[in-house]
Amino acid sequence: KQEVTQIPAALSVPEGENLVLNCSFTDSAIYNLQWFRQDPGKGLTSLLLIQSSQREQTSGRLNASLDKSSGRSTLYIAASQPGDSATYLCAVRRLNTNAGKSTFGDGTTLTVKP
Amino acid sequence: DTGVSQDPRHKITKRGQNVTFRCDPISEHNRLYWYRQTLGQGPEFLTYFQNEAQLEKSRLLSDRFSAERPKGSFSTLEIQRTEQGDSAMYLCASSLGAGGPGNEQFFGPGTRLTVL
Repeated sequence: KQEVTQIPAALSVPEGENLVLNCSFTDSAIYNLQWFRQDPGKGLTSLLLIQSSQREQTSGRLNASLDKSSGRSTLYIAASQPGDSATYLCAVRRLNTNAGKSTFGDGTTLTVKP
Repeated sequence: DTGVSQDPRHKITKRGQNVTFRCDPISEHNRLYWYRQTLGQGPEFLTYFQNEAQLEKSRLLSDRFSAERPKGSFSTLEIQRTEQGDSAMYLCASSLGAGGPGNEQFFGPGTRLTVL
């Protein structure tokens, strides 16, 4: 059974700081890994999708890496801003014939202080 | 098309009542997913459809839960005889297909269910 862990559960940083969020998973037979952002009481916004054959993806100030062999992914946020405050979730999709369900971590809640 | 939509956004019901939620995916997406999320936790998979076929169901989806996608477009999730433990955010997502970037899931705003 795939288990996804995100550490730390909460993180508070001053504005402008670069930071790294961690995601680890127990089963390396994954199809892809997706990072999401969730604001309080809202749905999930897709940030980055990394296919199993890729090592990293970049979008603006965000960079996500994937190391399947060690079961780890990181989300790097450069020059953090108060608007980045949210919960960040990672989700892995298992490699199987249907490639359906995603397994989520419980997220890291980020607070960026002005 | 502005994305995945869900209706209602909030639902308050009494224990024992039935409730039904609707999800409209992004129009060209043939895959549709339902998840449930409780406070402080990540979403938990419930079920997913490819077109009108329900391909996978979680053990979380007890016999009180049923989902349909009759014409391969919108989907409904019904909960019968609601219990207080059903209180959660119900999230719907859709994706274009199974391969490559098309596998990216896009989520709706969710339906917040409160069972009194």
